[in-house]
Amino acid sequence: GAGVSQSPRYKVAKRGQDVALRCDPISGHVSLFWYQQALGQGPEFLTYFQNEAQLDKSGLPSDRFFAERPEGSVSTLKIQRTQQEDSAVYLCASSLDRNEKLFFGSGTQLSVL
Amino acid sequence: GDSVTQMEGPVTLSEEAFLTINCTYTATGYPSLFWYVQYPGEGLQLLLKATKADDKGSNKGFEATYRKETTSFHLEKGSVQVSDSAVYFCALSRSTSGTYKYIFGTGTRLKVLA
Repeated sequence: GAGVSQSPRYKVAKRGQDVALRCDPISGHVSLFWYQQALGQGPEFLTYFQNEAQLDKSGLPSDRFFAERPEGSVSTLKIQRTQQEDSAVYLCASSLDRNEKLFFGSGTQLSVL
Repeated sequence: GDSVTQMEGPVTLSEEAFLTINCTYTATGYPSLFWYVQYPGEGLQLLLKATKADDKGSNKGFEATYRKETTSFHLEKGSVQVSDSAVYFCALSRSTSGTYKYIFGTGTRLKVLA
């Protein structure tokens, strides 16, 4: 079956632009995470969904970051008024349930110029 | 808060050498522990896991034992191969009231020379 799909694979934005990153998790997966990964670092937690409920958004770095999963499947991470420090790889991961292994997408590499 | 600490890399070994990558964690309650691997040009994938104290996870010749008394989950392999060259991430997951944490370490790059 299909894995976790993220789009776009690469995104170049001018500073101040808004961007939207899409994640299509594995069908039936309840848990969905967004992470930010800087070069040479580990994934840093951004937010967590259980079905359509956003249970934890404590990792979102500012109110410019917003995530949703309205029907409990596809999720979108939106970044408003992008800044250079937002440049990173954004990873989406899903799992069947809590404490199960995560399946990762290939990530979206965001470059803000 | 919860956290995972890994030894810094890069780790460079010759083929057939013994590998240890240290990982310690801080968490309340009883987390599950994981090692993920990221091969060049690929996404993160699960290598092994352990869900309770004294459990040993193993896969592809790699092993790690959940040590509650030392809050550690060190990754070991008796004889590494060039194909093991990758970045290894230690992680923990823990359910809390109302939510669920899944936290990663900073990663350790392993390079194996022929």
